[in-house]
Amino acid sequence: AQSVTQLDSHVSVSEGTPVLLRCNYSSSYSPSLFWYVQHPNKGLQLLLKYTSAATLVKGINGFEAEFKKSETSFHLTKPSAHMSDAAEYFCVVSEYNQGGKLIFGQGTELSVKP
Amino acid sequence: KAGVTQTPRYLIKTRGQQVTLSCSPISGHRSVSWYQQTPGQGLQFLFEYFSETQRNKGNFPGRFSGRQFSNSRSEMNVSTLELGDSALYLCASSLEGNGETQYFGPGTRLLVL
Repeated sequence: AQSVTQLDSHVSVSEGTPVLLRCNYSSSYSPSLFWYVQHPNKGLQLLLKYTSAATLVKGINGFEAEFKKSETSFHLTKPSAHMSDAAEYFCVVSEYNQGGKLIFGQGTELSVKP
Repeated sequence: KAGVTQTPRYLIKTRGQQVTLSCSPISGHRSVSWYQQTPGQGLQFLFEYFSETQRNKGNFPGRFSGRQFSNSRSEMNVSTLELGDSALYLCASSLEGNGETQYFGPGTRLLVL
């Protein structure tokens, strides 16, 4: 069965410092993995997607994630945080034979201090 | 292309009532999925429709139902509302599902009193 674990419910960084949001997954097959961001009172926006083409995936707004099969991890990073990055981030897994079903992690709230 | 739209954006209902939410997917997308978001349970999959057929279903009671029309627009219905149904309901569309990127609408916030 698929599952996603986001290892931190809340991460706080200072503006200009690196961001690391951690995600581990469990999947029976080769999964598609995603990171979505949700700003307050908004819908979900796709940051990036992994589909086995390359283990290092670049997304929007300077975010990237590395797929490590041996560690079943898909951590999200950004070299330098910006105030506008403050939001909730979701790690998501989807398997090919599950149609449109997405499994979400519990979310990590990112705070950015000036 | 226009994004995923959901109507209404906000709803207030009382216990025992029923409610219908609507979702219009991105043009050309045939898969529509619905999710419930609550502070306690996070984001949970309700069901997915593809070509007017329910293809997958989450672990929700039968009070939650949906349908999809020939133009891919989808509706979800919740009958006999309970306080715990208060949530943000999100709709997402993709070309055919199956691991593809899903694009989310802004959601409908339902408050049950």
